[in-house]
Amino acid sequence: QAVVTQEPSLTVSPGGAVTLTCGSSTGAVTSGHYPYWFQQKPGQAPRTLIYDISNKNSWTPARFSGSLLGDKAALTLSGAQPEDEADYYCLLAFSGTPVFGGGTKLTVL
Amino acid sequence: EVQLLESGGGLVQPGGSLRLSCAASGFIFNNYGMSWVRQAPGKGLEWVSAIFPSGGRTWYADSVKGRFTISRDSSRNTVYLQMSSLRAEDTALYYCAKNRGPAATIPDSWGQGTLVTVSS
Repeated sequence: QAVVTQEPSLTVSPGGAVTLTCGSSTGAVTSGHYPYWFQQKPGQAPRTLIYDISNKNSWTPARFSGSLLGDKAALTLSGAQPEDEADYYCLLAFSGTPVFGGGTKLTVL
Repeated sequence: EVQLLESGGGLVQPGGSLRLSCAASGFIFNNYGMSWVRQAPGKGLEWVSAIFPSGGRTWYADSVKGRFTISRDSSRNTVYLQMSSLRAEDTALYYCAKNRGPAATIPDSWGQGTLVTVSS
């Protein structure tokens, strides 16, 4: 089974910018992997931030954006807010089977 | 508004069985695939299973294949996860999710979860 890799932890200053990445053990991440990004705060269910590389839900703050960066999927946060402190999970689909990354714990400090 | 209400979690002995239910509302149930995702205490998310609207196509993670069965009842707008031969490593919060479309396996809208504990 494919492995999806993420940075275990990152720190960003309030108002700053940070990029989280999502890689695949099988090679470059492409649109065919339908990259998703989820945000999960302590004690809460995950919620979808980004789907299919860069599409946002109605509740996704404008400061979040998704892209392909090199051979990975990326989630960029520009203008970090204290409420953005959370765990972020990416997901890639491999021939229809979804695989989550291990998650990135983002600290806003 | 999409609402997903999971139930059926609890304490079960290793080797035992449990059936989880997820009652869906706020969308046309027959138009969407549905998924189960789990999260062990203090750990990350693990996709478990998905089912297409017709119920004819199902998907499973290798870790649960042969032990778990996903199904759905359109008359009740409910999706189920029948779990058998349960192991300690199945202990987790189990989330029900609506997928983005009829032929999608990726969870998109999430319930609040139901806790399954496998222990003697």
